[in-house]
Amino acid sequence: QQQVKQSPQSLIVQKGGIPIINCAYENTAFDYFPWYQQFPGKGPALLIAIRPDVSEKKEGRFTISFNKSAKQFSLHIMDSQPGDSATYFCAASSDSGTYKYIFGTGTRLKVLA
Amino acid sequence: GAVVSQHPSWVICKSGTSVKIECRSLDFQATTMFWYRQFPKQSLMLMATSNEGSKATYEQGVEKDKFLINHASLTLSTLTVTSAHPEDSSFYICSAHQYGQGTYQPQHFGDGTRLSIL
Repeated sequence: QQQVKQSPQSLIVQKGGIPIINCAYENTAFDYFPWYQQFPGKGPALLIAIRPDVSEKKEGRFTISFNKSAKQFSLHIMDSQPGDSATYFCAASSDSGTYKYIFGTGTRLKVLA
Repeated sequence: GAVVSQHPSWVICKSGTSVKIECRSLDFQATTMFWYRQFPKQSLMLMATSNEGSKATYEQGVEKDKFLINHASLTLSTLTVTSAHPEDSSFYICSAHQYGQGTYQPQHFGDGTRLSIL
């Protein structure tokens, strides 16, 4: 019940395409859902985060869609660029005071020039 | 803002050596810091949660005597891998949660430490 399932494992898109990465969770106590981008040899960097009281959030070319009833959320990258090629992780946490994350398994994205 | 510095970025040492990794929040105070381990092409595995001024909370299966964590101030946490062996070789990453912020604030990550034990 503590798992966050992420798909696909890997994704290849053409430049300008819109890759979509999906995550699903079981624990209804989760109430904070961030997305991180990680380049090889680097730590994860926060892209965007959402709470379940909104269904969509946009920041630049990145959009999170959130479906509370289905317990799913997804990341859309608009007008993808080769520089977006990286590994993307979704995560979830609950208001338990520990601030701990449960991470998804990651999606390796490659954007072709 | 919200920069986390991790040092060293890369270390190679002989089996049996103890290695200390530092994690600093440069422009904010962090009551809670986290230590993760990441294997190639895998997700981040939480090792322990470090709270300033108190003992770290270790995840199940993590040897607390092998991985010593100290969080002596609001800007510094250290991870010491004691008597390191080749199986301890990995990418170790720290993160920090900003002091005074609630649950709905992100963890900020360092750039990791590549540890290689010969």
